[in-house]
Amino acid sequence: NAGVTQTPKFRVLKTGQSMTLLCAQDMNHEYMYWYRQDPGMGLRLIHYSVGEGTTAKGEVPDGYNVSRLKKQNFLLGLESAAPSQTSVYFCASSFSGSSYNEQFFGPGTRLTVL
Amino acid sequence: GNSVTQMEGPVTLSEEAFLTINCTYTATGYPSLFWYVQYPGEGLQLLLKATKADDKGSNKGFEATYRKETTSFHLEKGSVQVSDSAVYFCAQGSGTYKYIFGTGTRLKVLA
Repeated sequence: NAGVTQTPKFRVLKTGQSMTLLCAQDMNHEYMYWYRQDPGMGLRLIHYSVGEGTTAKGEVPDGYNVSRLKKQNFLLGLESAAPSQTSVYFCASSFSGSSYNEQFFGPGTRLTVL
Repeated sequence: GNSVTQMEGPVTLSEEAFLTINCTYTATGYPSLFWYVQYPGEGLQLLLKATKADDKGSNKGFEATYRKETTSFHLEKGSVQVSDSAVYFCAQGSGTYKYIFGTGTRLKVLA
């Protein structure tokens, strides 16, 4: 039982390049989330998904796209990377959308955009 | 809107010292409250939670009580260890899918 895994762990991009971050969970969770973590700002929600084939915008969605083609996977895409997207990205999942439930987090992807 | 405010860090303590990390929240309604811990190089993991007023969450010697009257959820531990060095996040869950995190407090425990 690996929990939530993220690929890659580190990445350096040049401005304008594109990339996809992969999140996978093996807990059969319906809900998945992408956050970014910046110094002094806590975690901010980028996009989330309430089930296979569905996605929704979070607090800071601009410049990102997501897809949830399979229940266990949640992909985060950057079509044209900008230095402002330098951050640590965390994926999380939860059994339900109830705010009583905890979220399970992946180990993070550290992205640097030059 | 809803928010979470936690004390600025870093907090530096000697081993076996008493720890308090303050957390206050603003919310409409009755959110669930969480403390997550992030060890170096890892993702966040749940430390403890409380879902209603006066509930006390506890785990690994850490405790926090949901205080509705003071809108607080302060984290405490009676005797910290070097292995407790990490970043601690207070969070609230309010409404479906919506979690709000504080900015995190870094704790450093010296041997």
